[in-house]
Amino acid sequence: NAGVTQTPKFQVLKTGQSMTLQCAQDMNHNSMYWYRQDPGMGLRLIYYSASEGTTDKGEVPNGYNVSRLNKREFSLRLESAAPSQTSVYFCASSDDPGTGFTDTQYFGPGTRLTVL
Amino acid sequence: GNSVTQMEGPVTLSEEAFLTINCTYTATGYPSLFWYVQYPGEGLQLLLKATKADDKGSNKGFEATYRKETTSFHLEKGSVQVSDSAVYFCAALYNFNKFYFGSGTKLNVKP
Repeated sequence: NAGVTQTPKFQVLKTGQSMTLQCAQDMNHNSMYWYRQDPGMGLRLIYYSASEGTTDKGEVPNGYNVSRLNKREFSLRLESAAPSQTSVYFCASSDDPGTGFTDTQYFGPGTRLTVL
Repeated sequence: GNSVTQMEGPVTLSEEAFLTINCTYTATGYPSLFWYVQYPGEGLQLLLKATKADDKGSNKGFEATYRKETTSFHLEKGSVQVSDSAVYFCAALYNFNKFYFGSGTKLNVKP
């Protein structure tokens, strides 16, 4: 049971390049999330997916797209990277009992992205 | 909007000292409250949680009590260890799977 895995761990991009961050969980969780972590700002929600086939915007969605490929996988895509997207990106998952209130989130180890 | 505010760090303590990290939340509704811990190079891990007023969450010697009257969820530990050095995040869950995280407090414990 690996929990939540993310690839890659580190990435350096040039402005305008595109890339996809991968996330997978093996806990059969319904909900998955993408956050970014910036110094002094805590974690901010980019997008989340309450179930397979659905995605919703979080607090800071601009410049990103997501795909909930199946129940296990939730990817985050940067179509045209900008220096402002330099950050640490965390994927998380949780088991939503269907009431709209979820419980504990389980986090991956993060992807450190630098955009030059 | 909803938000979580926690004390800025870093907090530097000697081993066996008493720890308090303050956290307050906005009082719209009745969120569930959490403390997460992040060790260097790792993702966040749940430390403890409380889902309603006056609940006390506890784990690994850490405690926090949900105080509705002061909208607070302060983290405490009676005797910290060097291994407790990490970044601690307070978080609130209001509804629909949306967590709000504080900015994090870095704790350094010296031998």
